[in-house]
Amino acid sequence: AQTVTQSQPEMSVQEAETVTLSCTYDTSESDYYLFWYKQPPSRQMILVIRQEAYKQQNATENRFSVNFQKAAKSFSLKISDSQLGDAAMYFCAYNCDPFAGGYQKVTFGTGTKLQVIP
Amino acid sequence: DVKVTQSSRYLVKRTGEKVFLECVQDMDHENMFWYRQDPGLGLRLIYFSYDVKMKEKGDIPEGYSVSREKKERFSLILESASTNQTSMYLCASSQTQGAGETQYFGPGTRLLVL
Repeated sequence: AQTVTQSQPEMSVQEAETVTLSCTYDTSESDYYLFWYKQPPSRQMILVIRQEAYKQQNATENRFSVNFQKAAKSFSLKISDSQLGDAAMYFCAYNCDPFAGGYQKVTFGTGTKLQVIP
Repeated sequence: DVKVTQSSRYLVKRTGEKVFLECVQDMDHENMFWYRQDPGLGLRLIYFSYDVKMKEKGDIPEGYSVSREKKERFSLILESASTNQTSMYLCASSQTQGAGETQYFGPGTRLLVL
């Protein structure tokens, strides 16, 4: 079974600084997707960034970028120029296309709570 | 924009009560999901539905059932609520079965069972 591990329950960063959130996963599949979702306090969870495993280039979305190391099964999220609005719970997630007859099921990590210090 | 709404933000129920949590999405998505979110455990899938009247068990279906009579609506039912079902419940939807699909989440329902 696939597992997703986020070993940092909480992190903090000074406003305008850079922070990296860690995620490792375990899978025997060769093609899959990895995601980072953000859950702000009392607000809906939203997708931050997505990476397809067969694409070697790391995904970027404005101030958010990933460091995808397929061999090491590592998928970290880097937030540059941190802003107060980045304070949230961040979840790493994994999904792969199901075998014939199966259905996709996303596996989430336990989350990292990011605090941004003014 | 996709909108996923949940019937209540907060609920307080007593042990043994039957509890209904409702979720509605407005983008004609095929898939809908119910998750439970607990501190230190992340999100765990309870049930999902890939079509009207179709459902699949997730990782923790015990004590729960679901209903999907219309494409836009997915209900989670706690047949007899217990204190260990006190949690945050998140509904989500996605357009298709593709593994790269974005899941769109509702605001969550925080359920307290006394």
